[in-house]
Amino acid sequence: DIQMTQSPSSLSASVGDRVTLTCRASQHIDNYVNWYQQKPGKAPKLLISVASSLQSGVPSRFSGSGSGTDFTLIISNLQPEDFASYYCQQSYGTPTFGGGTKVEIK
Amino acid sequence: EVQLVESGGGLIQPGGSLRLSCAASGFTVSSNYMIWVRQAPGKGLEWVSLIYSTGITFYADSVKGRFTISRDNSKNTLYLQMNSLRVEDTAVYYCAKGTNIRGDGFDLWGQGTVVSVSS
Repeated sequence: DIQMTQSPSSLSASVGDRVTLTCRASQHIDNYVNWYQQKPGKAPKLLISVASSLQSGVPSRFSGSGSGTDFTLIISNLQPEDFASYYCQQSYGTPTFGGGTKVEIK
Repeated sequence: EVQLVESGGGLIQPGGSLRLSCAASGFTVSSNYMIWVRQAPGKGLEWVSLIYSTGITFYADSVKGRFTISRDNSKNTLYLQMNSLRVEDTAVYYCAKGTNIRGDGFDLWGQGTVVSVSS
């Protein structure tokens, strides 16, 4: 299976900050990475598919990039509702998820 | 309304069996890539099993030989039959729909059903 490694595992940030979350694949996966936001007690929500395609209704402060093995999710101008956990997932092979990054309030 | 509603979770002893259901509305299960994902308490997301629209199925190594994914087209429902349950199967189980036939992201999720395996 393709392993997905996210870093950092957690971070503290303030409203208005720009935060960068990273995800590394254990092998080349083209651009087949998807990003999810999950809040406590809720199901994950798809934010971005195939590395950079923003899902309908997702604010433009979320952006994704990357190809090959290294991928990035950037949240610019962090808002109170963005404090949550974020997961990457590869769809190059049978799906696997990264371990997640928890974005906490500083 | 387009939605997925899971049911069937509960408290079960190790070695027991459960069948989870995922009832879909607003779209056709058999025409879509569907997946079961679980989340152990305080942990991340783990894929469990998937079924393509063609009917081809795959399983995570951790459940292979114990779990079976299936669908009932007449009921527009996805299932996960779980046998020989272990303590480490304790989790919230979600079903989800792929955005396309290769599953480039899962854009519709159920609310989750809790499975607790304990003696």
